[in-house]
Amino acid sequence: GAVVSQHPSRVICKSGTSVKIECRSLDFQATTMFWYRQFPKQSLMLMATSNEGSKATYEQGVEKDKFLINHASLTLSTLTVTSAHPEDSSFYICSARPRDSPSNYGYTFGSGTRLTVV
Amino acid sequence: AQSVTQLGSHVSVSEGALVLLRCNYSSSVPPYLFWYVQYPNQGLQLLLKYTSAATLVKGINGFEAEFKKSETSFHLTKPSAHMSDAAEYFCAVRVSGNTPLVFGKGTRLSVIA
Repeated sequence: GAVVSQHPSRVICKSGTSVKIECRSLDFQATTMFWYRQFPKQSLMLMATSNEGSKATYEQGVEKDKFLINHASLTLSTLTVTSAHPEDSSFYICSARPRDSPSNYGYTFGSGTRLTVV
Repeated sequence: AQSVTQLGSHVSVSEGALVLLRCNYSSSVPPYLFWYVQYPNQGLQLLLKYTSAATLVKGINGFEAEFKKSETSFHLTKPSAHMSDAAEYFCAVRVSGNTPLVFGKGTRLSVIA
């Protein structure tokens, strides 16, 4: 089945630094990837939709200059948290589905990245 | 806009007892409905999905869900809970092929020995 590999699984960084999170579709092409953020004991909130070869679409309230999303190929999307602050500490998850899958196909999720900013 | 409401943020059952996790949806068009499970510090795993082919959907690990249009519900059930079922469960909806999933707030299932 479709697999999305997300790295790193955990990262600790200092305030003011930048962190890059990668999501790769291992055995399929993903024209669209979705990036979610999850706070402890809460649901997943959509941050942005990443389309291959074009600019990402951000949800209201998400700072596009802080959360840089790149989708340069059909198998790789990256989320860079720039100038990270402690309030950016969260669990970030990506999801995607194969390009030619049926419309009722359930998206495949990465294993998530636990970001801690100290 | 579509949405889902999960009733009960925490459900606790005894091992071997029936599991019932509730989900109601709101959508102006026929929705695609999903249940996902999440273990601590992990991504989401698809349990089952409603495809409109059948109202009773069987998924992995013995779970099933029934789509009831008249009640706008898609409740998740399992006849006999196992300790390994303890996790967070999310109901999700989307209305077309390439739109993002909209998640409910999640229900944490605890299984008591």
